[in-house]
Amino acid sequence: KAGVTQTPRYLIKTRGQQVTLSCSPISGHRSVSWYQQTPGQGLQFLFEYFSETQRNKGNFPGRFSGRQFSNSRSEMNVSTLELGDSALYLCASSLGGDQETQYFGPGTRLLVL
Amino acid sequence: QQQVKQSPQSLIVQKGGISIINCAYENTAFDYFPWYQQFPGKGPALLIAIRPDVSEKKEGRFTISFNKSAKQFSLHIMDSQPGDSATYFCAASTAWGKLQFGAGTQVVVTP
Repeated sequence: KAGVTQTPRYLIKTRGQQVTLSCSPISGHRSVSWYQQTPGQGLQFLFEYFSETQRNKGNFPGRFSGRQFSNSRSEMNVSTLELGDSALYLCASSLGGDQETQYFGPGTRLLVL
Repeated sequence: QQQVKQSPQSLIVQKGGISIINCAYENTAFDYFPWYQQFPGKGPALLIAIRPDVSEKKEGRFTISFNKSAKQFSLHIMDSQPGDSATYFCAASTAWGKLQFGAGTQVVVTP
């Protein structure tokens, strides 16, 4: 089975722009979670989607949003980028039940200048 | 605030030695405790996980010890190998998809 794929792998944007990141989960997985990883704050949960519905949300401003499509693929959008949004954005997929193992993709590294 | 506190921040161990990483939590609603291993340029990969009704779980050279009353859990890597050099994260979860991670421990295994 193919693993979790994320595109693009690297991205450079300037302050004020917006960005959309994409995540394709493992085939058969219906849950996709997004995390932000930075040296200062570590790994922080953004949100989780299951069957196109957001089930859980972390403590990030409204500039961070996401959605999930009927084929379980997910996108994450960040509007009005700030320098502090520079990070590795990871998505993870799972079957969707409670306490299911989450399988992470390689991440998208975003640099905001 | 960090809901899961992890220590040490880094450790160096000789090949064949034991690496021990500790985590503590406050939220008694946490009911799932996985450990992840991350190599540079890669996403985290699940190593081993435990639920609070079990005090110890072993998979190969990796063992989780869990102390529910103390709200602590730890990872032991036995017979550490250079290939184990990576960053290790403990995590805890109460609900779907929401893992709360510790700050991570960078482990270096010297030959």
